[in-house]
Amino acid sequence: EPEVTQTPSHQVTQMGQEVILRCVPISNHLYFYWYRQILGQKVEFLVSFYNNEISEKSEIFDDQFSVERPDGSNFTLKIRSTKLEDSAMYFCASTPGLAHQETQYFGPGTRLLVL
Amino acid sequence: QKEVEQDPGPLSVPEGAIVSLNCTYSNSAFQYFMWYRQYSRKGPELLMYTYSSGNKEDGRFTAQVDKSSKYISLFIRDSQPSDSATYLCAASMDTGRRALTFGSGTRLQVQP
Repeated sequence: EPEVTQTPSHQVTQMGQEVILRCVPISNHLYFYWYRQILGQKVEFLVSFYNNEISEKSEIFDDQFSVERPDGSNFTLKIRSTKLEDSAMYFCASTPGLAHQETQYFGPGTRLLVL
Repeated sequence: QKEVEQDPGPLSVPEGAIVSLNCTYSNSAFQYFMWYRQYSRKGPELLMYTYSSGNKEDGRFTAQVDKSSKYISLFIRDSQPSDSATYLCAASMDTGRRALTFGSGTRLQVQP
């Protein structure tokens, strides 16, 4: 069964460093998402991406965040200058986005630790 | 404003019991409702989704949405130890393509 994959599974970085989290959405899915989950807290929406542009973003997704689909398979989240509070589990998700096929499927996550 | 609320549990039941998991929500614009299962340090796994009010059944799982009372339920029949996980309800506006708003999750433990 097709699934969303994410790399790396764990990332440790120093405060102020840039990190890039990578995702390979399910093939033929059209909508892509990033969510995060700070330890012990809710899963929170960051951004959605469709047709090579951001379709929706939350207040969390400020100027230090950016997303890109550099090729036909990868979807990336870049955090330009990491802060301690960016430490969280980051989940990528995708959906076909077609009528009656709109549920979001999540990847296993990347655990980011900012020191 | 807490848009989707869940009792965090933990909820402990014996194997074979019927489990009832519930969420309430405050945003009347929510139209799509989903239940995800999350094992420790893993990604959410989709279990069920429903559009607007009504029931949906899939094997041992039944999802119910009552939009008049803004209440979402998931029932698990014949619960198994492998069902032990955190169950997340989620909602979105218009379509499932929109941002999901999650509850905090209910931790379920099924005792053998």
